[in-house]
Amino acid sequence: DAGVIQSPRHEVTEMGQEVTLRCKPISGHDYLFWYRQTMMRGLELLIYFNNNVPIDDSGMPEDRFSAKMPNASFSTLKIQPSEPRDSAVYFCASSLVAGNTIYFGEGSWLTVV
Amino acid sequence: GEDVEQSLFLSVREGDSSVINCTYTDSSSTYLYWYKQEPGAGLQLLTYIFSNMDMKQDQRLTVLLNKKDKHLSLRIADTQTGDSAIYFCAESISGPPSSGSARQLTFGSGTQLTVLP
Repeated sequence: DAGVIQSPRHEVTEMGQEVTLRCKPISGHDYLFWYRQTMMRGLELLIYFNNNVPIDDSGMPEDRFSAKMPNASFSTLKIQPSEPRDSAVYFCASSLVAGNTIYFGEGSWLTVV
Repeated sequence: GEDVEQSLFLSVREGDSSVINCTYTDSSSTYLYWYKQEPGAGLQLLTYIFSNMDMKQDQRLTVLLNKKDKHLSLRIADTQTGDSAIYFCAESISGPPSSGSARQLTFGSGTQLTVLP
């Protein structure tokens, strides 16, 4: 299996622009997670899905952030409008069932200038 | 609540053993994990231990779990320069079955291991 695939790997955008990050989980995994990693706050869980349904979005920082999972093989995390403080590495991860190991993608490195 | 704590930095000499420590607070944890993050990469599962075990060994890696003290450690024998990375401890907490919610992994802040030649 190819593992969790994220795109883009790197993005530099101007403040106010819309950013869309994409994720393809491991085939057959029922759970998909979006994490954000910064030096100041470490690794934060933003939202996770079970069978394409958002279960817990309490980690989403504010209304500028939204996530969707239209099908079992694709999810997006959108930031609109983006701000410099959104600069971080955004990881997508998936797991087979509850309690199993979470597998991470390589991350999307976002810089907002 | 869940809170996983790790020291931020550890430096060792090449060839020595490294011991990375972690404490957690939730006694209902079922699995405890160690992930490794190399520069510019995602988190990679290194090893894990089930909560009814107190030790697990895998080649150069030894995981020790002290449930009474809620303490987890990762020992890397014969540490190499390629072991330089950030190591994250994480605990898996069981969610209520009725909710259908996944166990969430709660991560520590990570320990930056630097291996000196």
